[in-house]
Amino acid sequence: IVLTQSPGTLSLSPGERATLSCRGNQTFSSRYLVWYQQKPGQAPRLLIYGASTRAAGIPDRFSGSGSGADFTLTIDRLEPEDFAVYYCHQYHTSPQTFGQGTRVEVE
Amino acid sequence: QVQLQESGPGLVKPSQTLSLTCTVSGDSITSDSYYWSWIRQPAGKTLEWIGRISTSGNTKYNPFLQSRVTLSIDTSKKQFSVKLISVTAADSAVYYCARSAAGTANFDYWGQGSLVTVSS
Repeated sequence: IVLTQSPGTLSLSPGERATLSCRGNQTFSSRYLVWYQQKPGQAPRLLIYGASTRAAGIPDRFSGSGSGADFTLTIDRLEPEDFAVYYCHQYHTSPQTFGQGTRVEVE
Repeated sequence: QVQLQESGPGLVKPSQTLSLTCTVSGDSITSDSYYWSWIRQPAGKTLEWIGRISTSGNTKYNPFLQSRVTLSIDTSKKQFSVKLISVTAADSAVYYCARSAAGTANFDYWGQGSLVTVSS
């Protein structure tokens, strides 16, 4: 499954809302859709699994939604530490794959 | 607190074998509740899942790498490893080890990453 993330780059200011899209080239169960955050020089960090369940310790300004082939990660009220690259990931079909990422940068 | 740490050579010659080990702190590597994966990321690119191994040694590989990759686990040493044969420059990447709950690929703990460059 090819995951296409859009936009490639999102330029926003702290306090604004970020809406990130992840679209698959075929439908799959939302159970197998995951979101990660990655900052420069760091390993990815698990944010959301099962399309909408926040991982342990993830602030509630992060939320995930979607089904079928269309999924969304929303970050309400961007904090300075939220500027990073976000990847969606599916493991419904082998090989499990990652999207190309959306960079959220300071405008 | 679970910690994962990759180790191994940072430079591998083309056509040779890339070998990395991940050492896991804590006792979760002895539990059949978890899978242990390797994931890589070429510079400036997205992530690529390489494969995973269970505590019992059951493996699953990325079909695109399956002919060249082998994962192994040594629970007594709290380590699992990856070997990738016949490497080329395209295998240059940061290699991560990661943990997920068995039956999932929700990677909740990651190593810091190990940069491997394939060059003569």
